[in-house]
Amino acid sequence: AQSVAQPEDQVNVAEGNPLTVKCTYSVSGNPYLFWYVQYPNRGLQFLLKYITGDNLVKGSYGFEAEFNKSQTSFHLKKPSALVSDSALYFCAVRAGLYSGNTPLVFGKGTRLSVIA
Amino acid sequence: DGGITQSPKYLFRKEGQNVTLSCEQNLNHDAMYWYRQDPGQGLRLIYYSQIVNDFQKGDIAEGYSVSREKKESFPLTVTSAQKNPTAFYLCASSLKTGATGYTFGSGTRLTVV
Repeated sequence: AQSVAQPEDQVNVAEGNPLTVKCTYSVSGNPYLFWYVQYPNRGLQFLLKYITGDNLVKGSYGFEAEFNKSQTSFHLKKPSALVSDSALYFCAVRAGLYSGNTPLVFGKGTRLSVIA
Repeated sequence: DGGITQSPKYLFRKEGQNVTLSCEQNLNHDAMYWYRQDPGQGLRLIYYSQIVNDFQKGDIAEGYSVSREKKESFPLTVTSAQKNPTAFYLCASSLKTGATGYTFGSGTRLTVV
């Protein structure tokens, strides 16, 4: 079975400081990993994904994530946080190629608050 | 512009009433999904469909029903059997491979009155 853990319900960071939102996963075989962001009363917006290749993935709005297979982690990072980054962030996983098109499994979300 | 449209944005249901949430996409995606979002619980899968006229139950299908008569449309009915329907409902679509991730609609907030 696939699962995702986001160990922090809330992350607070000062504007201009680096931010990290943590995600660990469990899946059989090679994973497809995703990060999404949600603003209040809106749908989820895609930030970035890891399918294969380089472990460091760059995405929208200056975000990046590092795939670490040995630690089964896919932490989201940004070098300098903006107040406008404040939102709810979701990590998601599914089994990769040759595993059929199983639906994404989402973590419970981490609320990021960037303080001016 | 291509996208996925959910309607209505807000919906109120009386006790014992069935309601249907609409989801339409013009992305030519094969697969469509319904998730329920509750505070602190993330997204939970209700139903999904990978092809027209076929769908599978997700983790919390009880009290819900779906149909997939057209590739573009995947409506969700919340039946009176769903005892706690108040939630934010999200529809998504993807290519069959799943490697490109999902495109989400803007959601429907359902409230029982």
